[in-house]
Amino acid sequence: QTVVTQEPSLTVSPGGTVTLTCASSTGAVTSGYYPNWFQQKPGQAPRALIYSTSNKHSWTPARFSGSLLGGKAALTLSGVQPEDEAEYYCLLYYGGAQAPYVFGTGTKVIVL
Amino acid sequence: EVQLVESGGGLVQPGGSLRLSCAASGFTFSTYSMNWLRQAPGKGLEWVSYISSSSSTIYYADSVRGRFTISRDNAKNSLYLQMNSLRAEDTAVYYCARDFAAVPALMDVWGQGTTVTVSS
Repeated sequence: QTVVTQEPSLTVSPGGTVTLTCASSTGAVTSGYYPNWFQQKPGQAPRALIYSTSNKHSWTPARFSGSLLGGKAALTLSGVQPEDEAEYYCLLYYGGAQAPYVFGTGTKVIVL
Repeated sequence: EVQLVESGGGLVQPGGSLRLSCAASGFTFSTYSMNWLRQAPGKGLEWVSYISSSSSTIYYADSVRGRFTISRDNAKNSLYLQMNSLRAEDTAVYYCARDFAAVPALMDVWGQGTTVTVSS
């Protein structure tokens, strides 16, 4: 069973920068996994932020950016705002007919 | 406005059945693949099932294969999830999400979710 692992929680000061990562149990994450990133606030549905590693949706704030870093997918928040406190999930694409999509375990970003 | 609205959730006994619906509006539903996803209380997101725009391709997570059936009616702009033999571990908020089949894993629009509780 494929496991996608993220940091359980990260703390960042307002105005600071934080990088979240997304690792696959199958090996290095590449662009072929089409990494996506989602933000979820309590009581709300997830909101898409990044697709295909680094592409932003029209509503994604400029301070969010996606990349590949050391064999993992990464989401960097620069100039963090208080409203960025949320749970963040990555999603990887594995293709095939067996569980083509696997979500990461999620990272709670705390703005303090 | 592009919108997805789920319905059909509720309380059901273990072993029971439930049918979820997802009503789409504001876009050409018949040209998009769709997914069902879920989130158990206090837990992370889990992908459940995928259906292509023409229903020709369907995938299920191992945890629901053989018990859940995804379907769609493009004439009614609706997506469905028939859930049978429900278990306590199926308790979750269920979301539908639009999928750009041409760009793998691109789920840009999500519904607000419907809650399923499996309990006696």
